[in-house]
Amino acid sequence: AQTVTQSQPEMSVQEAETVTLSCTYDTSESDYYLFWYKQPPSRQMILVIRQEAYKQQNATENRFSVNFQKAAKSFSLKISDSQLGDAAMYFCAYRNRDDKIIFGKGTRLHILP
Amino acid sequence: EAGVAQSPRYKIIEKRQSVAFWCNPISGHATLYWYQQILGQGPKLLIQFQNNGVVDDSQLPKDRFSAERLKGVDSTLKIQPAKLEDSAVYLCASSLLGENTEAFFGQGTRLTVV
Repeated sequence: AQTVTQSQPEMSVQEAETVTLSCTYDTSESDYYLFWYKQPPSRQMILVIRQEAYKQQNATENRFSVNFQKAAKSFSLKISDSQLGDAAMYFCAYRNRDDKIIFGKGTRLHILP
Repeated sequence: EAGVAQSPRYKIIEKRQSVAFWCNPISGHATLYWYQQILGQGPKLLIQFQNNGVVDDSQLPKDRFSAERLKGVDSTLKIQPAKLEDSAVYLCASSLLGENTEAFFGQGTRLTVV
């Protein structure tokens, strides 16, 4: 069975600085997809970024980028130029070929003004 | 494009009562998920539908939880009877078929069992 582990329950970063959230996963599959979702206090889950496992190039979306290390089964999220609106819970998620999506326990990100 | 709709937003019930949640996915989305999110934790997958068939319900407590997706569109999740530990946010999500498609989430239903 696949598992997703986020080892940082909480993180804090100064506004305009860079922060990296960690995620590791366990799977025996070779084809899968990884996602980072953001959940603000309003609790609607929003996709931040996605990565296909067959792609070696790391995904980027504006200030958000990932460091995908397939052999190490690691998928970290880097947020550059942090903004107050980035404060939220961040969830790492794994999607297999059967479209099953499982989530980590999340990291609460605080932005310090 | 309309998003995933869920109702009600909030529900308070006494233990041993029953409750039902409703979800209307995005039009055309074949896959529908129900997740349970206990405060401070990540979403836990309860059941996954593809059209009106169940793909995965391995973590659904079947002695008290049931879900259906008639006609492959709307879905309902029912708890009967509720326990205190069922207090959580119940999230519905939907997605297109295909490997690189994201899941879109509703705003969830916050259930409090007293």
